[in-house]
Amino acid sequence: GENVEQHPSTLSVQEGDSAVIKCTYSDSASNYFPWYKQELGKGPQLIIDIRSNVGEKKDQRIAVTLNKTAKHFSLHITETQPEDSAVYFCARGSYGKLTFGQGTILTVHP
Amino acid sequence: NAGVTQTPKFRILKIGQSMTLQCTQDMNHNYMYWYRQDPGMGLKLIYYSVGAGITDKGEVPNGYNVSRSTTEDFPLRLELAAPSQTSVYFCASSPSYGRDYNEQFFGPGTRLTVL
Repeated sequence: GENVEQHPSTLSVQEGDSAVIKCTYSDSASNYFPWYKQELGKGPQLIIDIRSNVGEKKDQRIAVTLNKTAKHFSLHITETQPEDSAVYFCARGSYGKLTFGQGTILTVHP
Repeated sequence: NAGVTQTPKFRILKIGQSMTLQCTQDMNHNYMYWYRQDPGMGLKLIYYSVGAGITDKGEVPNGYNVSRSTTEDFPLRLELAAPSQTSVYFCASSPSYGRDYNEQFFGPGTRLTVL
């Protein structure tokens, strides 16, 4: 499948600040865009997802925005907490399969 | 429910050895996947299955084989281990397939080193 570009690769913020991670894709057939959080030594866990017919979705401190025309989507975490520290992966879904970005290491300093 | 379980957690293989990574899910999901995760990289799909008896190649299938004889189990076989197969392997399952996706549930992973 075609790649997903994810930026930044590392992100360091102070507790209470916001964090934004961006992903771009090129496959027009993509219609599902999940975000996964991976803690050290564990498997990825879905935190939020969005489908192509929706521009924005929120779940408490987490939100995802999608611009299908520009082919990019972003994860927004507000009021960050130390327990938000982890690796975050975006992915795009097309015909039953997911293609993942390279990941962003988020560190939230107390 | 235990979710997705994988065994072993860790394994060291010598070049040329073979092994099977086990994956079991108890959520009655039809769809199962195997990924590998190299350092600093995202997950790459090795093989996937849409139901018992049906498997298909993903992005990086070379050097691996799978089988799906039951809904619950989806083992991954490495026949002639090579250093390039040193990675962390994740199994995942999902209740659906096709254009209307649902969440993929991941196991805890198997860390494999080939020396």
